[in-house]
Amino acid sequence: DGGITQSPKYLFRKEGQNVTLSCEQNLNHDAMYWYRQDPGQGLRLIYYSQIVNDFQKGDIAEGYSVSREKKESFPLTVTSAQKNPTAFYLCASSSASSYNEQFFGPGTRLTVL
Amino acid sequence: AQTVTQSQPEMSVQEAETVTLSCTYDTSENNYYLFWYKQPPSRQMILVIRQEAYKQQNATENRFSVNFQKAAKSFSLKISDSQLGDTAMYFCAFNPAETSGSRLTFGEGTQLTVNP
Repeated sequence: DGGITQSPKYLFRKEGQNVTLSCEQNLNHDAMYWYRQDPGQGLRLIYYSQIVNDFQKGDIAEGYSVSREKKESFPLTVTSAQKNPTAFYLCASSSASSYNEQFFGPGTRLTVL
Repeated sequence: AQTVTQSQPEMSVQEAETVTLSCTYDTSENNYYLFWYKQPPSRQMILVIRQEAYKQQNATENRFSVNFQKAAKSFSLKISDSQLGDTAMYFCAFNPAETSGSRLTFGEGTQLTVNP
């Protein structure tokens, strides 16, 4: 089945630690995205990548980093510089041949202890 | 830059009735896509319906339909015969069609509750 997977589903981190969230897609999409969602709020764009080995900052990139070494993978690292990282993180991918519709993964809930 | 506004933070409807969620947007683009996404309590984002700006005909998907008014920059979602499973947060989103991999601009969302 084609789709997007995110792992882990729940993640706990101690303050001062970096942590990496995984996002993999087998839809052959060129573009991938990372969003942050806080309780009762909308989605805010962290980073996005339109092609392998290239990515752009979104609206709230500070304290986060990404890489795009493979088409199907777009991991997000939450660094210790992110002051309030506890949130729900969603990964998505899209293709221009599908109206730029974004397909979403199931999300990762990150909690800083 | 584009903006998307959903002016109804919360709405409720009785099961089997019809409800309309509002969305307005601002853009200087002529060709674009508009989407409604649903986020149930599981938090999985699910596409409900898509509208292409160059199509005058309003999109429909079973019980879901839109009222797309391009001149007014309005894109409302109508849910007919509401079901308990329609309870979710609904997000309106805009995407410029000309650029591959371009970002979606989301509204703040409308929490819809369907009451039995």
